[in-house]
Amino acid sequence: QSALTQPASMSGSPGQTVTISCTGTSSDVGAYNYVSWYQQHPGNAPKLVIYEVTNRPSGISDRFSGSKSGNTASLTISGLQAEDEADYYCSSYTTTSTRVFGGGTKLTVV
Amino acid sequence: EVQLVESGGGLVQPGGSLRLSCVASGFTFSSYSMNWVRQAPGKGLEWLSYISSSSRTINQADSVKGRFTISRDNAKNTLYLQMNSLRDDDTALYYCARDVYGGYGNDHWGQGILVSVSS
Repeated sequence: QSALTQPASMSGSPGQTVTISCTGTSSDVGAYNYVSWYQQHPGNAPKLVIYEVTNRPSGISDRFSGSKSGNTASLTISGLQAEDEADYYCSSYTTTSTRVFGGGTKLTVV
Repeated sequence: EVQLVESGGGLVQPGGSLRLSCVASGFTFSSYSMNWVRQAPGKGLEWLSYISSSSRTINQADSVKGRFTISRDNAKNTLYLQMNSLRDDDTALYYCARDVYGGYGNDHWGQGILVSVSS
């Protein structure tokens, strides 16, 4: 199972909106609405920010939103803040009942 | 408060074995499916294995199939990962992670336990 494709790095200024893409295939992202997104700060465990494409866990800011079109899922962060600087990973369930992560995107707030 | 605490990591020679444990507290462990995920130094996340709440369903990544075995003991609130035939590229931080109840996504993670494979 190949990793999902994410941009290696992105940047934005405080207050801006950034959208991170996650491209898979019809065997993973395109097959189900089972895409999740994780935020990871250096030295910390990953934190779930979006599950099942669009759902936000309790306690996650509404500045985080998710969407999907075909084989590509997206995480949008609006009103960018310094604390949003982190690595972001997408993940999808697959048609072989396994799960796959994206390679990760390093988001810099400049 | 939900807590997941991994243990059992350490330094092992290539070809060796280790068993990781993940003790859960703060929730009804027997109601949730669980996963193991790892992260090699400076690299991204890699999903390894899934086990349903009753242990009826187990899924594994091809990279560890035949070498790693996931299991759980609901009476002890503990998740396990038996790792055999370890290789250099198994060196990583290993996380246990709980699934969203009835859904897809890992809503709670342990702090991770380091496994180093080296001669």
